[in-house]
Amino acid sequence: AQRVTQPEKLLSVFKGAPVELKCNYSYSGSPELFWYVQYSRQRLQLLLRHISRESIKGFTADLNKGETSFHLKKPFAQEEDSAMYYCALSRPGGYNKLIFGAGTRLAVHP
Amino acid sequence: DTGVSQDPRHKITKRGQNVTFRCDPISEHNRLYWYRQTLGQGPEFLTYFQNEAQLEKSRLLSDRFSAERPKGSFSTLEIQRTEQGDSAMYLCASTPGDYGYTFGSGTRLTVV
Repeated sequence: AQRVTQPEKLLSVFKGAPVELKCNYSYSGSPELFWYVQYSRQRLQLLLRHISRESIKGFTADLNKGETSFHLKKPFAQEEDSAMYYCALSRPGGYNKLIFGAGTRLAVHP
Repeated sequence: DTGVSQDPRHKITKRGQNVTFRCDPISEHNRLYWYRQTLGQGPEFLTYFQNEAQLEKSRLLSDRFSAERPKGSFSTLEIQRTEQGDSAMYLCASTPGDYGYTFGSGTRLTVV
């Protein structure tokens, strides 16, 4: 079965601390993986996707096929990073539906 | 605003009533998706359209749910005989075909 697991509902850190939001997936094959973010009172928006290997707002995510993980990392958290973060996967090839995890709320305290 | 528009933003309805939501995607996006999100969960796929063709429906989409995209532009999602379990945020997203989903703000449905 295709599934995305985000084991932490809430991650609370202080400004300047490193952040790691965990994501594990279950998929037979090689999925495409994404991180979406939802800031307070805003729409869900794409943060990054593994195929582009970008670093957005200082966040990076590495696909580990052996551990079936796609953890999101940032070395120094900022208060403006506080938001809901959703990991998602889709079948490769574009045009495909997303399967989301339950999300992790990141709270960055001053 | 040239993004994805959803209407209404909020809907409160009595159990057993029918409701209809509308989604206006970005005009050049040929794929349109509907998702449902309940409290504490991520969005769950409901259905999607390529132009006017409905290509996939989730098992979550019971026979009380119907979606249309009659001219390949806007889409409607209708729920008949609403139940309390239908209370959720209904999200619409569109894409031109790469991975660049654009989500709408959603319609929050409360069934009382």
